[in-house]
Amino acid sequence: DIVLTQSPGTLSLSPGESATLSCRASDSITSSYLAWYQVRPGRAPRLLIYGASRRATGIPDRFSGSGSGTDFTLTISRLEPEDFAEYYCRLYGGSLGTFGQGTKLQIK
Amino acid sequence: QVQLVQSGAEVKKPGSSVKVSCKASGGTFISYSISWVRQAPGQGLEWVGRVIPILGIAKYEQRFQGRVTITADKSTSTAYMELSSLRSEDTAVYYCARVNDILNGALDYWGQGTLVSVSS
Repeated sequence: DIVLTQSPGTLSLSPGESATLSCRASDSITSSYLAWYQVRPGRAPRLLIYGASRRATGIPDRFSGSGSGTDFTLTISRLEPEDFAEYYCRLYGGSLGTFGQGTKLQIK
Repeated sequence: QVQLVQSGAEVKKPGSSVKVSCKASGGTFISYSISWVRQAPGQGLEWVGRVIPILGIAKYEQRFQGRVTITADKSTSTAYMELSSLRSEDTAVYYCARVNDILNGALDYWGQGTLVSVSS
C-alpha cells in the first residue's frame, strides 16, 4: 500500500507570509488522484485542491498545488488568519483512500 | 445546493455498536459514492470506507474490515455507517463525504460530523 508522508508536521508562520507544505508518496502515483484538504477546529474538512493542481470551487487563488510522481506541494501565499489550520493530502485510487498524517499551520 | 446532514452525537459502551446516518439533499444521490472519514481527538483524518449507492457495493479500509458496515438507502438518499465491537480508540468525529468522480474522486461535500464517544 502507498503511504503518504507530509512535512513538516508543524509550520509556524505569520500572516502575510507564504507557506509550503509537502506530501511525499512511498511510490509513484497518478497525480490526478491527489487532493488537499483543510481542517479548521470544529469544522468539517474542506476540499482545496484536486488532481494535484486544480482548485476546488470557491477556493481563493492564494492556494495552489503542484507536483507529480512522488512529490507534491501545497502553497499558500499571503497567509490570512483563517488559513491557520491543519492540512491533509489524500490519494484516491481503487478501493482505498489514504490520507497523509497532516501538517499543522500555526501562527508564529 | 448539495447538503449532507448527519445524525446526532452518540455515547456508547465498549463492545457495543453505533450506526450513524448521512442524509443527502440537493443532488442526485445515486450518481455519487459516499465515503466515511473519522478524526479522533488530536489525531489526523482516517478513511473508513465508501459505498456506491447505485450498486449497493461497499469497500472498507482494511483495519476496519469485519467491524464496519456501510450501506445506502436510495429511497431516502441516506447513507449509513455501522461500527461494532466499539473500543475507546473509536472515540472520534465521524464524517460522511460525497465522492465526486468528475473531480478524480475528491471529497467535495461533507457532512457536519457526528461525535461518537466510547466510554464505560
